[in-house]
Amino acid sequence: AQKVTQAQTEISVVEKEDVTLDCVYETRDTTYYLFWYKQPPSGELVFLIRRNSFDEQNEISGRYSWNFQKSTSSFNFTITASQVVDSAVYFCALSEPNSGNTPLVFGKGTRLSVIA
Amino acid sequence: DGGITQSPKYLFRKEGQNVTLSCEQNLNHDAMYWYRQDPGQGLRLIYYSQIVNDFQKGDIAEGYSVSREKKESFPLTVTSAQKNPTAFYLCASSIAAGPNEQFFGPGTRLTVL
Repeated sequence: AQKVTQAQTEISVVEKEDVTLDCVYETRDTTYYLFWYKQPPSGELVFLIRRNSFDEQNEISGRYSWNFQKSTSSFNFTITASQVVDSAVYFCALSEPNSGNTPLVFGKGTRLSVIA
Repeated sequence: DGGITQSPKYLFRKEGQNVTLSCEQNLNHDAMYWYRQDPGQGLRLIYYSQIVNDFQKGDIAEGYSVSREKKESFPLTVTSAQKNPTAFYLCASSIAAGPNEQFFGPGTRLTVL
């Protein structure tokens, strides 16, 4: 079973629409960390956010917001008033440090296309 | 500027040849990683290193080898034993192993002819 599931393979929206990218994770640990990365067409992944399992407060950064819900094991990412520059592949990732110093486990990514 | 460099950006090789991908970082990070990205597959971990002279296999290590002789360098060799080596390869580093932000290089696209 996948530890990180991003069920949406591709999403297309028109500029200025809001869009939510889903991320569902699976872990038995009580301490874990969740990440979001953006991969623009250039290929290099860009870090967006890290959230630990003890902090369920939602996060807002400009047009970006994240909704962390332990009850549903989800860490969804919303872009408000999307722009063409938001077009990219977005990855959700999980780290379980108490399972050893294992690196991040990535989801398969969601390709977002914002159309002008 | 601090960051991670990977070279070359595009690499072509003939089937049956070994090839080494370069990864250098000047962030003074202890941990370094190699990922492979295929369309629709996300990122899969090949090898990682928590400290100099130490490295561990990731999920898809077969057909690959690495070395970590210097803190700033973590080259990846794609050997002829790798059955399907055509892919996009990403190198990353973090200040230490564990749940830390990973910084990524620009990637190398390897094509086997």
